[in-house]
This record gives sequence, structure tokens and C-alpha cells, in this order.
Amino acid sequence: DADVTQTPRNRITKTGKRIMLECSQTKGHDRMYWYRQDPGLGLRLIYYSFDVKDINKGEISDGYSVSRQAQAKFSLSLESAIPNQTALYFCATSDYDRGQSDTQYFGPGTRLTVL
Amino acid sequence: AQTVTQSQPEMSVQEAETVTLSCTYDTSESNYYLFWYKQPPSRQMILVIRQEAYKQQNATENRFSVNFQKAAKSFSLKISDSQLGDTAMYFCAFMKSGEYGNKLVFGAGTILRVKS
Repeated sequence: DADVTQTPRNRITKTGKRIMLECSQTKGHDRMYWYRQDPGLGLRLIYYSFDVKDINKGEISDGYSVSRQAQAKFSLSLESAIPNQTALYFCATSDYDRGQSDTQYFGPGTRLTVL
Repeated sequence: AQTVTQSQPEMSVQEAETVTLSCTYDTSESNYYLFWYKQPPSRQMILVIRQEAYKQQNATENRFSVNFQKAAKSFSLKISDSQLGDTAMYFCAFMKSGEYGNKLVFGAGTILRVKS
């Protein structure tokens, strides 16, 4: 079984709809992240969480919200989807360990299309 | 703010040959990490190699090695004996070190096609 899972894998929705993307991990990591990938722009950070009680905005948080329901679960919501939120969304996890790099491990991605 | 630049949008290489992907970055930090991630058509993000900035020795992982030039802020990836399975998008990424420095900053990516 994959260590980091995302649901759904693909989603098509309409402008104005509320959408939730879910991420679960079995790695036991404290830190979780949501990224968005657009062609020619690489991946950009939307939100990140160091633990259940810690949520932080990333580079492009406008139009998005998150919920850290448990150590293993981190959800991304689009309250009112718009076409320019069409993108590939990745969840990632990491386990900070003093003296070592904070390597992030990615889920398989969710392809979201907003019509 | 940190930036990462990958100046080669696309590259191709013959199977079994060697190819080098370029990456430059801009930062005022002295301690940081650099990564190369691979994204095959399956779209999974796979860590290829990482480098700690305080280490002078270049990182290697089997057929993958880096040329890290800290003064020049350059971090290129060399793939030796290229295989068809190396066909993918490759992303260079930067991370500031420290307890609160764990946000990855990505370049735009380089598409690598390995030809038979």
C-alpha cells in the first residue's frame, strides 16, 4: 500500500462548486503539505501544517482552505471553484529530524478540472 | 525570496548516453538543501537525489550524480547510461534548512526524453 494516498485521483467539477481533496499518510510524519502544479511553473506551495494544531499559508493560499483532522489526514478545500484552479494537486509529508534534511514524500496527485 | 531556474524546457538523449540537466538558484541563505525530483508520465513525484549545501562532496545515487557549485549557485544533474525509464519531467528544488525552513521551492522543470 502507498504511504501517501490522495482521493480522488481525478475530478471534474463546475465553476462555483465546493470541492474537497483528501490526503492520508501511513508514514507517521508530523508535517504535511499541499502543492499545486501548473505547466511551466513547477510546483507551488498552497498550505502546510507542522502538526494537528499548526496550519500555515504558503505561496498561493488565496481561494483555498485546509483542515488537519488528524496527524495522518490533511484536506484541501476549494470553497467556490474557478477555472484557473484547474491543475494537478499534490500532497506531501515529511518528518523533521534535527541534523538531517527534511525530505518530502509525495502522494500520487489529484487532477482537478474546473469547467 | 528564493528562486530556482531550469533553463532547459526540453532535452533528449540517446539510450546509454549521458545527459546533464541544469539548475541555478538564488538565495542569501548559507545553509540549505537541494533536490532533484523525477515525474514520469504516471505523474508520481519521485526523489532522485539530494545535496546538503554544507557538504562539498557531490551526491551520487547509482547512475545519477550532481555537480554542486555553491559559489556559482549551480546544481546540475548528470544521468549516466540513460535508460528509457528515465524519460520524465525533472524538477530541481531548494529548501532552506532549519526547523521552520522546510518549504520546497521548485523550478519550472525540464522534460527529458530518452530515445532508443
